[in-house]
Amino acid sequence: DTAVSQTPKYLVTQMGNDKSIKCEQNLGHDTMYWYKQDSKKFLKIMFSYNNKELIINETVPNRFSPKSPDKAHLNLHINSLELGDSAVYFCASSQEDRFVTEAFFGQGTRLTVV
Amino acid sequence: AQRVTQPEKLLSVFKGAPVELKCNYSYSGSPELFWYVQYSRQRLQLLLRHISRESIKGFTADLNKGETSFHLKKPFAQEEDSAMYYCALNGGSQGNLIFGKGTKLSVKP
Repeated sequence: DTAVSQTPKYLVTQMGNDKSIKCEQNLGHDTMYWYKQDSKKFLKIMFSYNNKELIINETVPNRFSPKSPDKAHLNLHINSLELGDSAVYFCASSQEDRFVTEAFFGQGTRLTVV
Repeated sequence: AQRVTQPEKLLSVFKGAPVELKCNYSYSGSPELFWYVQYSRQRLQLLLRHISRESIKGFTADLNKGETSFHLKKPFAQEEDSAMYYCALNGGSQGNLIFGKGTKLSVKP
């Protein structure tokens, strides 16, 4: 019954590799996000998609490319991984209603680049 | 500029003591503010939102527009309150959340 699920939970890979993190939500939300949590626990928005359309694209290297095949999925593909990409990546989704937006988060994917 | 500031990186209190986690924001319009919590090994989840004016797990937060603050309070801390707490601001029409840097609350027995 998981609302927002990410796979894998842990990912250890070598520098220079290409990897993907998958995210799926079963809440029927229109908007999905990717956040990055660095080693100091700081959470920052990377991308936002609304109905498969890119809405937010923060200052993120173009090695990071989100892909949204449908509104229930938002995958994150990373090319030529670097040591500094090591972090926890959180997927989230939300449905704006009249009053407030609440985001539901996935469990996170801990990416370690060695 | 839209910004959320949590001045304390770590807050350590004893069980039964009052807790106040500070949050200040910068936003030009009418803000929507939240507190999210991340317990050890669990996902980030919503704790409370200012618009609901509710108390969750004994925590309350009042929006003070004059001081641009949304401090999180609890009169008597419990050990199970130990977690990472994030104050967040609704970033506007794009719907993204702008997070503060987080405050780690440690409640000692």
